[in-house]
Amino acid sequence: NAGVTQTPKFQVLKTGQSMTLQCAQDMNHNSMYWYRQDPGMGLRLIYYSASEGTTDKGEVPNGYNVSRLNKREFSLRLESAAPSQTSVYFCASTTGGLQGGETQYFGPGTRLLVL
Amino acid sequence: DAKTTQPPSMDCAEGRAANLPCNHSTISGNEYVYWYRQIHSQGPQYIIHGLKNNETNEMASLIITEDRKSSTLILPHATLRDTAVYYCIVRVTNSGYALNFGKGTSLLVTP
Repeated sequence: NAGVTQTPKFQVLKTGQSMTLQCAQDMNHNSMYWYRQDPGMGLRLIYYSASEGTTDKGEVPNGYNVSRLNKREFSLRLESAAPSQTSVYFCASTTGGLQGGETQYFGPGTRLLVL
Repeated sequence: DAKTTQPPSMDCAEGRAANLPCNHSTISGNEYVYWYRQIHSQGPQYIIHGLKNNETNEMASLIITEDRKSSTLILPHATLRDTAVYYCIVRVTNSGYALNFGKGTSLLVTP
């Protein structure tokens, strides 16, 4: 049981390049989330997926797109990277249902540097 | 979700109890208090949550005042590995929505 995994762990991009951050969870969770964390700041929500087949914008969605590929996987795409997108990106998942607590499980993060 | 207020930083000696306060004076009746922590460069980690009763697990205890306007997270015997940023979050459980992280409290445990 790996929990939440993210790839890559670290990436350097040039301005204007595109890339996709991958996230997968093996806990059969319904809801998945993408956050970004800038230095000295708390996490801010980019996009989330309450259940398979649905996605919604969070606090800072501009410049990003997401795909909920299946129940396990939720990817984040930067179509044209900008230096302002230099950040650490965290993926998380939770049951999201009516039973149990709302514990969110986080991945180890992807550190992205845009030059 | 109700807003929370936490001190920006605290120190604690190793082996002592660390008591981290959180004010949430606008909390509503169906909102839970959650605590997460983030050790440097890692993803946030769930610690504990509660509604109105005090809660305890293997990591910590959560004390919620009777009027629910504030709470305290207690790490009974702090170790150096407990050095982290601690986030107090108030929200309705099972809503499927993301957590609203503020800036948290940076706890430094010293030898």
